[in-house]
Amino acid sequence: AQSVTQLGSHVSVSEGALVLLRCNYSSSVPPYLFWYVQYPNQGLQLLLKYTSAATLVKGINGFEAEFKKSETSFHLTKPSAHMSDAAEYFCAVSPGGATNKLIFGTGTLLAVQP
Amino acid sequence: GAVVSQHPSRVICKSGTSVKIECRSLDFQATTMFWYRQFPKQSLMLMATSNEGSKATYEQGVEKDKFLINHASLTLSTLTVTSAHPEDSSFYICSARVHARDGYTFGSGTRLTVV
Repeated sequence: AQSVTQLGSHVSVSEGALVLLRCNYSSSVPPYLFWYVQYPNQGLQLLLKYTSAATLVKGINGFEAEFKKSETSFHLTKPSAHMSDAAEYFCAVSPGGATNKLIFGTGTLLAVQP
Repeated sequence: GAVVSQHPSRVICKSGTSVKIECRSLDFQATTMFWYRQFPKQSLMLMATSNEGSKATYEQGVEKDKFLINHASLTLSTLTVTSAHPEDSSFYICSARVHARDGYTFGSGTRLTVV
C-alpha cells in the first residue's frame, strides 16, 4: 500500500531563510509524487511533481524537490522564504500506471516570520 | 492549464436539508473526478471516485446514501449531501486529472456549514 508521511505539522521560518518541508513515502511500485500548496479556504495548487524523469524537480514560486529513492524521500525546499509562502503544504503520492488515487500526507503549515 | 470550477464556494443550510455541490472541468473532459473532505487543520480524505456514466466508487466508511455522487457528463460531477447534519459541516473539494503524469487539478472547494 502507498502512504505518505510529512514530518512536522508546523514549521516556522524567518523571511529570507531556507524552507525545508519533509516528506517520506511508501510505495510498492515506482510512484508519482506531488507537492501541493493550499491557502485558507481555497483548493490545492500544484507546486511540482515527480514522474520518474529528473530526480531534482523545479516547481513554481521558487520551490524545488529532490526524489531520493534510497531514502524514500521527496523533501520540498526553497532557498529564501517570502511572507507570501505562508500556507499549508501537502505531499501526495500516486502509484504509477492506471491507478487513479492520490494519497495525501497530513500536511505542514508553514509560517513565515518577518 | 486545466481548470476545475467548483460551486458554491460557501453554503449554509439547515439541518435535515440537502445540499448539492457542482464540479465542472472547463477546458478538458474528465472521465474521472474525485471528491475529498477536509476537516479543519487536517489533510484531505478521499470520499469517492466519480466515474462518468457509471456508479461512483466510495471509500471505506463513506455512506453512499448520504453522499450522492452523479457524473452524468464528461465535464460535470455533483456531490449531494442528503439530510445534512452539523457533523457534515466541512470543506469539500473536487479534483480531476488530465493525464496520469500531470497531477490533479483541484476545485476551489466548498465550505459547508450545517446549522
